Amino acid sequence: AQSVAQPEDQVNVAEGNPLTVKCTYSVSGNPYLFWYVQYPNRGLQFLLKYITGDNLVKGSYGFEAEFNKSQTSFHLKKPSALVSDSALYFCAVRDIKASGNTPLVFGKGTRLSVIA
Amino acid sequence: SAVISQKPSRDICQRGTSLTIQCQVDSQVTMMFWYRQQPGQSLTLIATANQGSEATYESGFVIDKFPISRPNLTFSTLTVSNMSPEDSSIYLCSVPEGTSGRAREQFFGPGTRLTVL
Repeated sequence: AQSVAQPEDQVNVAEGNPLTVKCTYSVSGNPYLFWYVQYPNRGLQFLLKYITGDNLVKGSYGFEAEFNKSQTSFHLKKPSALVSDSALYFCAVRDIKASGNTPLVFGKGTRLSVIA
Repeated sequence: SAVISQKPSRDICQRGTSLTIQCQVDSQVTMMFWYRQQPGQSLTLIATANQGSEATYESGFVIDKFPISRPNLTFSTLTVSNMSPEDSSIYLCSVPEGTSGRAREQFFGPGTRLTVL
């Protein structure tokens, strides 16, 4: 079975500081990993995904994520946080052996608050 | 990327009534997913709707409570039947992106925020 853990319900960071939102995963084989963001009263927006190759993945809005196979982690990062980054962030996983039509499995979400 | 719209965007309903949520996609897709997002919780998959066949429901969700229609490749409905306050959630429609094979991401509609009194 696949699962995702986001150990922090809430992350607070000052504007201009680096931010990290943590995610660990569990799959029987190798994973495809995804990050999504949900702004208030909006649906989920895709930020980035890890497929294979370079462990550092760059995505939308200056976000990046680092895949670490030994630690089964895929933490989301940004060098300098903006107040507008305040939102709910979801990590998701799919086993690479699964069909592309297999629905993603999501973590419980982490609420990021960036304070001016 | 696919553009997904949902109707209604929000509703307040009385206990015991039913609400049908519509999901419209701007391109043809084989699979559509319906998720529930309860307050402060993650997304939970309700069912997968494959055009031309019966929807497949996840554990804990049944067709009598959440009937789904999938009349064509761009449209689906989810009905929340005999509602109770525990059904108060955001309901999200989602479709797989079309070109990345096994690594495809999913696109999401804006959601329907349901409050049951």
